[in-house]
Amino acid sequence: EIVLTQSPGTLSLSPGERATLSCRASQSVSSSYLAWYQQKPGQAPRLLIYGASSRATGIPDRFSGSGSGTDFTLTISRLEPEDFAVYYCQQYGSSRGTFGQGTKLEIK
Amino acid sequence: EVQLVESGGVVVQPGGSLRLSCAASGFTFDDYAMHWVRQAPGKGLEWVSLISWDGGSTYYADSVKGRFTISRDNSKNSLYLQMNSLRAEDTALYYCARSERLSSYFDYWGQGTLVTVSS
Repeated sequence: EIVLTQSPGTLSLSPGERATLSCRASQSVSSSYLAWYQQKPGQAPRLLIYGASSRATGIPDRFSGSGSGTDFTLTISRLEPEDFAVYYCQQYGSSRGTFGQGTKLEIK
Repeated sequence: EVQLVESGGVVVQPGGSLRLSCAASGFTFDDYAMHWVRQAPGKGLEWVSLISWDGGSTYYADSVKGRFTISRDNSKNSLYLQMNSLRAEDTALYYCARSERLSSYFDYWGQGTLVTVSS
């Protein structure tokens, strides 16, 4: 089973700053089957990025994904107040869509 | 509009059983694989189970294998999770989610139904 490790656990930034979130896999993720989700308190997760770098429908272009193999990154170019949330990466190359433990992005 | 609405979550005693349902609308249900994902209070996301579009293939997390059974009724646009031998550690918000294929991202999620296992 592929284990995903996200870092940092918590990221404290201010609106307007750039956020860089990391997701590292214990083995190579096939065909870049890596997704990112955003979850706000009391809400279901929302798909942001799939295929490591493709934005989901309706996702602003300040969100971007990159990486391949075992190292992946979610970048938010300029933070808006609504971006402060918990972010999860997920690999879906196997039939078990395992998630990382999450990165909490909080307002500094 | 795509909608997934979970139901069936209640407080149940350890060792008890429960069946969760997920009603789908706004899309062709049998075009999609379906998943259950859970989130314990204050914790992260844990994938639980997956069923193919026709119900012919099912997969489970090791933590629930042998205790939970996923099923679907395409005539009713509904997904189910039969949960037996429940444990305290099964306490969580249970989400249903859809994916285009067995190995695909989850593009729509329901709002979840809360299962509490407690005496």
